[in-house]
Amino acid sequence: DTGVSQNPRHKITKRGQNVTFRCDPISEHNRLYWYRQTLGQGPEFLTYFQNEAQLEKSRLLSDRFSAERPKGSFSTLEIQRTEQGDSAMYLCASMGKGRLETQYFGPGTRLLVL
Amino acid sequence: AQTVTQSQPEMSVQEAETVTLSCTYDTSESDYYLFWYKQPPSRQMILVIRQEAYKQQNATENRFSVNFQKAAKSFSLKISDSQLGDAAMYFCASTSGTYKYIFGTGTRLKVLA
Repeated sequence: DTGVSQNPRHKITKRGQNVTFRCDPISEHNRLYWYRQTLGQGPEFLTYFQNEAQLEKSRLLSDRFSAERPKGSFSTLEIQRTEQGDSAMYLCASMGKGRLETQYFGPGTRLLVL
Repeated sequence: AQTVTQSQPEMSVQEAETVTLSCTYDTSESDYYLFWYKQPPSRQMILVIRQEAYKQQNATENRFSVNFQKAAKSFSLKISDSQLGDAAMYFCASTSGTYKYIFGTGTRLKVLA
């Protein structure tokens, strides 16, 4: 399968714990996005990488959230000191270099904070 | 700031009939792109159709077409000959040169057999 993959697919954690999610984009894609999607809502932009550089970051991404893409390939999203309000689906998407490229989404990681 | 509004939380259509999903947007950019994405239940989001703002001609992809009204900032999706597999959440989205995508709240489409 050469699509975007995300791990884990589901995560249940207790409030206050740290969690880390991984996204593996399509191999030739240099652009990578993280989104958060809550029930009944559309995806909310969190952050955007071009290669290893984090070019844009939403105000939604509080100090407890951090994302990395160390070698311009896979990316991780870490949430520290999780809160119940962090419960959501976290989506990753990747895109190629061209101006009119399509975003390809991964299956998402569903986080439940108890 | 970009905004995308979908005012229809849910729509229903009979199989083989035509349905139109509405979307309005707002942007101060002159160069932008509009999209419709489909998110089937428990499955990945996929692109349905894309429209470049500089193009006057409405985009079409098989049974899917858009009605792009630039002055009205309207971007509706028409699905012809609806099929059971079309049942999903549909999201309208826009992006400008910053590559930041803004999504609407979605419209749940039900297809009735």
